[in-house]
Amino acid sequence: GDSVTQMEGPVTLSEEAFLTINCTYTATGYPSLFWYVQYPGEGLQLLLKATKADDKGSNKGFEATYRKETTSFHLEKGSVQVSDSAVYFCALGQNYYNTDKLIFGTGTRLQVFP
Amino acid sequence: KAGVTQTPRYLIKTRGQQVTLSCSPISGHRSVSWYQQTPGQGLQFLFEYFSETQRNKGNFPGRFSGRQFSNSRSEMNVSTLELGDSALYLCASSSINRTGGTQYFGPGTRLTVL
Repeated sequence: GDSVTQMEGPVTLSEEAFLTINCTYTATGYPSLFWYVQYPGEGLQLLLKATKADDKGSNKGFEATYRKETTSFHLEKGSVQVSDSAVYFCALGQNYYNTDKLIFGTGTRLQVFP
Repeated sequence: KAGVTQTPRYLIKTRGQQVTLSCSPISGHRSVSWYQQTPGQGLQFLFEYFSETQRNKGNFPGRFSGRQFSNSRSEMNVSTLELGDSALYLCASSSINRTGGTQYFGPGTRLTVL
């Protein structure tokens, strides 16, 4: 079945460091891919998305490119801030089934220190 | 436009009781999905409703049920609560007639079973 694999956390960085959180997926067809972020005590916020191969999603300095050849959707940011500390979830959604169900990775905790 | 709202935000119940959680989607969204989030199992899909019909269901026991009303508001019910049902329950809505569309999440209901 479809699945998402994320790198284990926590990822610990100093402010202004470069961030990469790896995400790979297994899916049939052509899923949409998403990154969500969860701050302590809150629900999930959509960070960015990509709906087809080679699409690049971007938001708030974060970027991820849909790579079908490597089945990956790695999250990157050039310079992290303390306020980016949160848990990041990679997810896929199938387009051709009659559903909006999302399959999530296990989440990666990011801790940014001043 | 108001986001997804969930009530109540926090609940404490005892084993054997039942509970009902409520979700109001973004205005105009007709698809509502529910997820359970726990430290051990991560984010797991419960069920999805579209135009008052359940169109997808996750692998949860029959104690978990839901429904959707004509105004797209949704409720989920858990009967005969068990300690393992303690979790954050997240509701998400997505836009009309878009499979694989973008889901927007509410803040969640934190259920504690004693």
